[in-house]
Formats: sequence, structure tokens, C-alpha cells
Amino acid sequence: DIQMTQSPSSLSASVGDRVTITCRASQSISIYLNWYQQKPGKAPKLLIYTASSLQTGVPSRFSGSGSGTDFTLTISSLQPEDFATYYCQQSYNTPRTFGQGTKVEIK
Amino acid sequence: QLQLQESGSGLVKPSQTLTLTCAVSGGSINISPFAWTWIRQPPGKGLEWIGNIYQSGSTFYNPSLRGRVTISADRSKNQFSLNLTSVTSADTAVYYCARDSVVFDVWGQGTKVTVSS
Repeated sequence: DIQMTQSPSSLSASVGDRVTITCRASQSISIYLNWYQQKPGKAPKLLIYTASSLQTGVPSRFSGSGSGTDFTLTISSLQPEDFATYYCQQSYNTPRTFGQGTKVEIK
Repeated sequence: QLQLQESGSGLVKPSQTLTLTCAVSGGSINISPFAWTWIRQPPGKGLEWIGNIYQSGSTFYNPSLRGRVTISADRSKNQFSLNLTSVTSADTAVYYCARDSVVFDVWGQGTKVTVSS
């Protein structure tokens, strides 16, 4: 199985801050890396697919980059509705695997 | 607009079988190349992929579930199901169904399953 490791596990930030979350795969996954946002009691929501493509309807303050084993999710200016948990997920092969999540909290 | 809705037993006794169904509306499960998927999330923890089924009927499962899982489809009802046998407290989780189009782009709302006597 491909192991996905996110860092940090949690972070505190203020509205307007630039936030960066990293995800590392245990082997190369090309660009088959996706990012999801999950709020309490809700299903995850797709934000970014194939490393850097923005899902329809997702604000442009979200962006993704990377290839191979190292990937980044950036929120350029954190908004109140962005406080949530973020997961990376590889779709390079089966079993699909997720990172452990990064909880973004209000400072 | 494609929608997925989970249903099934919310409380299951240890050693018994968990059965859930995902009803799909606004689209057909018979269309390639999508995979119809089950994912779970234990309380306070991350997401775990359980397995999926393709239009062809091919299924793929997470090896961590050690042969306890079966995913099937009822194409006449446009739904797919999850059976998980010999459950323990470690199987307590919110279970989601989702469409895999290389990404999980459509999700059900999730259903909570508790394993307890």
C-alpha cells in the first residue's frame, strides 16, 4: 500500500493568513494526488484533483502543487469558512489511501 | 445531479454482519469508467478506503479487511451494497459511499454504524 503522510497534523491560524499543508507519498504517484476538505459531521468535499486542478466551484484561494512524492495545498488568504480538516489522497493505485488529516483551527 | 444515499443497520452486535446500501439517483451505476466505493471514518479518526465495484462487476477490496468484505450491485435498483462480516468494535465508524472517477467527486452524507452488544 502507498502510505500518505501529512504535515502538520494540526495548525492554528488567523483569518487572512497564508496556510500551507504538505503531503508526502511513500512512493512516486506522479500527479495522482487529490485534496479534500471535511467539516464536522459532513462528508469530505473535493477541492483539488491531480495535484493542481481546482474542482469546479472551489474558491481560487485554494491551490495545489507537486508531483512524484511531495505535494502541497495552499490557502492564500484563510477565510472563516476554511476552518476544517484537510486530507490528501492518492489515486495512483488500489487500495486508495488517505493522509491522516490536518486540522486547521482558529488562532 | 448525481446523489448518493446510504442506508442500513445503525447498530450491529459483535461477530455479526454489517450490511449497508447506497442508493444512487440522478445517474446510472452502469456507466463506465466509474467505481462505486465504500469509505469509512472511525470516531475522531481519518478516512479508510474499504473497496469498490465497477460497472463490469469487478471488485477491489482493502487487504486490511482480511476477506471480511463484499461489495455487490443491484443494477435494476441502481444501488450497491456493503457486507462486512465478523464485526468488532473497531468497525464502529461513519460509513460513506462515493463515486470514484479517479477522484471521489460525489459522496453520500454518511451513516453511523455502532458495533455493540
